[in-house]
Amino acid sequence: DTAVSQTPKYLVTQMGNDKSIKCEQNLGHDTMYWYKQDSKKFLKIMFSYNNKELIINETVPNRFSPKSPDKAHLNLHINSLELGDSAVYFCASSQGLAGRAEQFFGPGTRLTVL
Amino acid sequence: AQSVSQHNHHVILSEAASLELGCNYSYGGTVNLFWYVQYPGQHLQLLLKYFSGDPLVKGIKGFEAEFIKSKFSFNLRKPSVQWSDTAEYFCAVNANDYKLSFGAGTTVTVRA
Repeated sequence: DTAVSQTPKYLVTQMGNDKSIKCEQNLGHDTMYWYKQDSKKFLKIMFSYNNKELIINETVPNRFSPKSPDKAHLNLHINSLELGDSAVYFCASSQGLAGRAEQFFGPGTRLTVL
Repeated sequence: AQSVSQHNHHVILSEAASLELGCNYSYGGTVNLFWYVQYPGQHLQLLLKYFSGDPLVKGIKGFEAEFIKSKFSFNLRKPSVQWSDTAEYFCAVNANDYKLSFGAGTTVTVRA
C-alpha cells in the first residue's frame, strides 16, 4: 500500500499554462506539506496544512495555491507556469506539526516547463 | 533564519570503506535533528533522528549520527558501506517551530 501518493509523476507543459498536482496520504496523518526540490537537489518547504488549516506559507509566488479538501489530500495548483517553476515537487505528511514528527514523503512530481 | 549546511556535495567511496557526512546548523536554541535518505528511484525516508538524551543515535541499516551541541553538528556515520548505500542523504533540522529545514544533500556513490 502506498502511504503518500502523488499524481502525476511527470508533468511537461508550456509556459503560461495552469496545472495541478494531487497528493493523497492513507496514513491517517493530520499534517501535510509541499516541498520544492530544485536542480541542485535543495529541498525547500512551500506550504503546510494541519487539519486542513494553512500553517506554513513560505515566500512562494501567489501563482501557487494549495488546497486541502480533507486531511488526507493536499493539492497544489500552479497558474501561469514559468520556466523557473521546473523542479521536483514532493508532498509529505506527518502526525502532528513538524517538531519531532517523522515526515513521510511521496515519490515526487517532476515538473518541466518548456 | 536557520540554515543547514552539508559540506560534502558528492562522496565516492569503495565498499567496506567508512563513511562520514557532515551537517551543521545555524540555530542556537533547542533543535530536533534528522537524517533522511533517498535511494535511487525511491521516496525520501527517515534514517534516524535525535531529540534529546544520548547524543549518539543509531538508525536503520547500520547508520549512526552524533550530536555535538558545541559544534552545532549532527554528522552521519557508517563504519562499512555497501553498494546498496548509494543514495542521496539529507540532513534536516527543526527548531521547535512548524518547519523542517533541509540541507542541500550529499550524493553518496559506493563502488563495488
